[in-house]
Amino acid sequence: GQNIDQPTEMTATEGAIVQINCTYQTSGFNGLFWYQQHAGEAPTFLSYNVLDGLEEKGRFSSFLSRSKGYSYLLLKELQMKDSASYLCALPSGGSYIPTFGRGTSLIVHP
Amino acid sequence: GAGVSQSPSNKVTEKGKDVELRCDPISGHTALYWYRQSLGQGLEFLIYFQGNSAPDKSGLPSDRFSAERTGGSVSTLTIQRTQQEDSAVYLCASQDRVGTDTQYFGPGTRLTVL
Repeated sequence: GQNIDQPTEMTATEGAIVQINCTYQTSGFNGLFWYQQHAGEAPTFLSYNVLDGLEEKGRFSSFLSRSKGYSYLLLKELQMKDSASYLCALPSGGSYIPTFGRGTSLIVHP
Repeated sequence: GAGVSQSPSNKVTEKGKDVELRCDPISGHTALYWYRQSLGQGLEFLIYFQGNSAPDKSGLPSDRFSAERTGGSVSTLTIQRTQQEDSAVYLCASQDRVGTDTQYFGPGTRLTVL
């Protein structure tokens, strides 16, 4: 089985940097996804990490440490539109069906 | 090209009635998932279709829930004898192949059972 843990809510100031953590326990690792979900909308893909290290994509970066069962999403130069829920997801070992964390609700204020 | 579409966008029904929710995946995507998301909760996996293989129904919460996928494309999720606890947003996602490909989500159907 899998267990995914994320903080429930975070707040940050426009223009700042925020790091959203995800810790997990899994019986078989097949990579880790981050999705963004604005209120009332469907999740959209942000990043996928399968190897250790940092993957940078514009203002958003995602980091993975497989040995520690840990990932984070780093958002730089925060904008108001970044206010959303950020979901960590892992395809399970055998069937690859993704298990999603509960999501971290990020509130960006002026 | 077109993304994943779902219909209806909103459905209000009375307890005990049956409902059908539809998902049109991205053309050519072989994998299709149904999830349920209650207010403030994460995504709860319901069922997974992959090509012509038998679906993985391990996430269906009760035998009132069923789904089919016709011709490897459109899928219908049916909830029989709806209960108030079935109220949630039902999301469909399609995936090019399997496993580590990105999932593309539809806009969801918001189901309210009165």
